[in-house]
Amino acid sequence: TQLLEQSPQFLSIQEGENLTVYCNSSSVFSSLQWYRQEPGEGPVLLVTVVTGGEVKKLKRLTFQFGDARKDSSLHITAAQPGDTGLYLCAGVRAGGSYIPTFGRGTSLIVHP
Amino acid sequence: NAGVTQTPKFQVLKTGQSMTLQCAQDMNHEYMSWYRQDPGMGLRLIHYSVGAGITDQGEVPNGYNVSRSTTEDFPLRLLSAAPSQTSVYFCASSSFGREVKDTQYFGPGTRLTVL
Repeated sequence: TQLLEQSPQFLSIQEGENLTVYCNSSSVFSSLQWYRQEPGEGPVLLVTVVTGGEVKKLKRLTFQFGDARKDSSLHITAAQPGDTGLYLCAGVRAGGSYIPTFGRGTSLIVHP
Repeated sequence: NAGVTQTPKFQVLKTGQSMTLQCAQDMNHEYMSWYRQDPGMGLRLIHYSVGAGITDQGEVPNGYNVSRSTTEDFPLRLLSAAPSQTSVYFCASSSFGREVKDTQYFGPGTRLTVL
């Protein structure tokens, strides 16, 4: 059973479109992180959210942590080819080990 | 700072061979970990360490050994390689443990093929 379910698994869109990626669980998390991984490289942290209902913005990327701290979303506005990559969510369960668990990722391709 | 470095970048092994994947960090991080990444599976934790001399198993530890004799280095040993261990391996480090906001820094990965 996957602790963190990411959807969709694949996304192929045109430049300028908007998109949302979801990370869901039945467990409560102390924190949730989003990473982006480009081909041939390791994941790089984009953001960490720790408070239920928290919203963080990073240029055209908007991250939200669910009120119950069981889910998160990543919204990209006006996607660009440079946004292409694998987006991974990772969570630290509340009351559990501080070791983060990763979702399976969403592979995004933005066509020019 | 070089961050997290991994060697080799690519490796091909035959079934039954052993090898060590090297990982080093120069950020004086206490926490280090090894993940494997397979298509559609995300990152799965193999082993981790919270400091020199302390290691523990992750989600998929079978077939792998680790040791942590220094803060900087955290090698991963494949005892007898199997085709199922064909994967991309990532090492990561963090000042974790006590602060959920801490960032994990990943190395560039080692692409391993076992024939």
